Amino acid sequence: NAGVTQTPKFQVLKTGQSMTLQCAQDMNHNSMYWYRQDPGMGLRLIYYSASEGTTDKGEVPNGYNVSRLNKREFSLRLESAAPSQTSVYFCASSVEEEAEQYFGPGTRLTVT
Amino acid sequence: GENVEQHPSTLSVQEGDSAVIKCTYSDSASNYFPWYKQELGKGPQLIIDIRSNVGEKKDQRIAVTLNKTAKHFSLHITETQPEDSAVYFCAASRAGSGGYNKLIFGAGTRLAVHP
Repeated sequence: NAGVTQTPKFQVLKTGQSMTLQCAQDMNHNSMYWYRQDPGMGLRLIYYSASEGTTDKGEVPNGYNVSRLNKREFSLRLESAAPSQTSVYFCASSVEEEAEQYFGPGTRLTVT
Repeated sequence: GENVEQHPSTLSVQEGDSAVIKCTYSDSASNYFPWYKQELGKGPQLIIDIRSNVGEKKDQRIAVTLNKTAKHFSLHITETQPEDSAVYFCAASRAGSGGYNKLIFGAGTRLAVHP
């Protein structure tokens, strides 16, 4: 099992550009999550999907959209990137909502 | 909402010494407290967790203690080894509340174990 995979690993965008971060898990998990990690601030939840077909906002959803494409895949889209979105983005999954979360390796995004 | 504070932000110990990281939380309804280890360039990995119905949990060299009255919990690593060097995050949530297990993370502690 690959676990949770994320693409790309690194990305540089100019202000105003758009992009989609991809996440996939092969553990047959129902719940998936997107976090951002900024220096000195731990991880903050952007969006989550409790199960296929549902998505909900987390702590910091502004400027992002998500799509739960199927049970395996959960994508995060930045429609108009801003320098404040420079961060490391982690995707995670869990069997169900109240279970251990498994994290992917992260995507380091820089917006200039 | 919940707020989690973590101390210290950096910790340096000699190999074989013990390391202790402390977290405090604000929401008295929080009942699930996991600890994650993040190695350089990798995602966080759960190393131990505790629920509010117990006061202490051990797993080999790692232990977590919980004081619900004072609203704080701690990670204890004994006989530290260089491979314990990483960033450690605590988190808190209200598991079992009928909704998502929304984890609120502390800011992290960078642990360095020197040979």
